[in-house]
This record gives sequence, structure tokens and C-alpha cells, in this order.
Amino acid sequence: GQQLNQSPQSMFIQEGEDVSMNCTSSSIFNTWLWYKQEPGEGPVLLIALYKAGELTSNGRLTAQFGITRKDSFLNISASIPSDVGIYFCAGQRQETSGSRLTFGEGTQLTVNP
Amino acid sequence: GAVVSQHPSRVICKSGTSVKIECRSLDFQATTMFWYRQFPKQSLMLMATSNEGSKATYEQGVEKDKFLINHASLTLSTLTVTSAHPEDSSFYICSAINSNRRGYTFGSGTRLTVV
Repeated sequence: GQQLNQSPQSMFIQEGEDVSMNCTSSSIFNTWLWYKQEPGEGPVLLIALYKAGELTSNGRLTAQFGITRKDSFLNISASIPSDVGIYFCAGQRQETSGSRLTFGEGTQLTVNP
Repeated sequence: GAVVSQHPSRVICKSGTSVKIECRSLDFQATTMFWYRQFPKQSLMLMATSNEGSKATYEQGVEKDKFLINHASLTLSTLTVTSAHPEDSSFYICSAINSNRRGYTFGSGTRLTVV
């Protein structure tokens, strides 16, 4: 199925550095979601965005819903070793129940102590 | 709130046998659940949408007779991999729409290995 273009594919950073990743699409989405997945686990929701231009924070994480509704970014400030994992963006086109999610390819984050 | 329990977390089965994976919403009712498949270092690929009380909707290329989905109650959906083969080995993940219909909660996944 169609996927979102997520970049970068992987990141290797030092503890304390800030991280930024983004997703773009040729289509409009009504909802953007950011998930983190650790090995052998299902994705865990980090931030949900429902309105174009919306900027939402969750602790050291900040995400924004692009004005065009075709993109979103996730920032992590002052990274720590437990931030390691794969981060996925996901978009939803409809707000009605049953609407599927479209996932990005993921960003593998490695944080060196 | 909004917890989804998936069982088993790991299963090893012999080629040709069938395996059932359960997905339960523990503290909310889920009229719709989704089943995904994920290969190593890849994203989640939607296999099918499971609707309570009706037939599942399968994505293109997913064999409905091989991946049987049953959503008999508002809190339980099951995925049965029939006549499993080694190429069916993968990480299977379910998700459910939580009560406010604006969030998707994922199960912890099932690692299936067919030998």
C-alpha cells in the first residue's frame, strides 16, 4: 500500500543532541500520528495532531502538522539513551471510524551515551 | 486507558499447521481492529481491517483464505494463519480504534516463526 516519505532513514547521535525527522506526502491527511517502536514490541503513540498548523509537545518531543496537511515533523530535544528505537509517522485521511492509517518507512534512532 | 492485549507474543509452529493470534481491547470497545504484518527493518503493512459482526476487508495481495479474521465481539479479533509456511514467518501486530475514535492503540505484536 501507499506509504509516506519519511526521512532520515536512520540517525546516529550523541546523548544530549536534538533530533529532527519528518514525513511528507503527495496527498492531504486529516490526522498525523507519531509512534515509537522498540524491538519486539508494537508501536506506542507519542503525539497525535488533528489540525493543520497544530504544534504539540509531549515532554521533550514536539511535533507539528504542516499547514498544507501534506507533511509533519517530530523533534526530540536533549536526547537520552532510552530514546533509541524506530519512529514512525502515520497519516489518516478521514476522521470517521474505520479509516486506515498510512505509515512512513520509519526512522531508526541510535543514541550514543 | 486504551490498552490492547495481543497473544501469544511468540509462537513457533511446524509448516502446514495453523496458528491463531488474539487481539483484545481490554478497557474499551473496538468496532474496528486492524491487522498488520512487519518484516525486519520495514514498516507496518496493513493486511486487513476487521469489523465487528461483519466480514473483514483485506488489502490487495493478502489471501483471505490463508489469513482468516474473526471479529465476533466488540473486544476480540482473531487472526488465524492457516497452513503456515516459512515465508509466513513475520511479526504480526493488531491495532484497535479507541473509544474516542481519534486514536489507534497497538498490541505488543506476535513473532511467528514457521519451521
